[in-house]
Amino acid sequence: QSALTQPPSVSGSPGQSVTISCTGTSTDVGSYNRVSWYQQPPGTAPKLIIFEVSDRPSGVPDRFSGSKSGNTASLTISGLQAEDEADYYCSLYTSSTALLFGGGTKLTVL
Amino acid sequence: EVQLVESGGGLVQPGGSLRLSCAVSGFSFSGYWMHWIRQAPGKGLVWVSRVNVDGSNPIYADSVKGRFTISRDNAKNTVYLQMNSLRAEDTAVYYCAREYCSPTSCKGADYWGQGTLVTVSS
Repeated sequence: QSALTQPPSVSGSPGQSVTISCTGTSTDVGSYNRVSWYQQPPGTAPKLIIFEVSDRPSGVPDRFSGSKSGNTASLTISGLQAEDEADYYCSLYTSSTALLFGGGTKLTVL
Repeated sequence: EVQLVESGGGLVQPGGSLRLSCAVSGFSFSGYWMHWIRQAPGKGLVWVSRVNVDGSNPIYADSVKGRFTISRDNAKNTVYLQMNSLRAEDTAVYYCAREYCSPTSCKGADYWGQGTLVTVSS
């Protein structure tokens, strides 16, 4: 099973925007739109914040947005808040319908 | 209120077996795919397995294929993970999660349990 590559860490100040990338290949990210993003604050279970590349579940603020270009999916958090500090994971269904997670990105709010 | 509650974790010796359960309530269980996802201490999320709405066509990560078996009982609103031939590298918190999928789209794992810790050690 292939890997989804995320930066280990990103940071930003309150009010700023940050973008987290999730890079795969032409046979996974580049071919499928079943990309999801999860937020995991320390010591808690993950929470779904984006599905199908750019859709938000109800209750997720519109500060969170998703996109995809070529083999890279991205999560952008605008108007950064202290409560956004967490680990973020992308995930994708592969052609075999197995599910892949990226390695995770730790977001630090300065 | 949607709830997923895992149980069955614990300490087991290498080569041993455990069966995890995930009891759900607050939604129509038989309409959702169910996943098991694990997280080793201090590490990232790793998908383990998923089962579709009627229990057919289970899918496994390569790392557990042939050792783990996922199943579900729609009458009991419960999904299971039978884990055999356990290894030290299987040590992790195991989460169950639900996902709604139609023939053309999947909506992401929108509810997760709190997790159950499995420790494989002698």
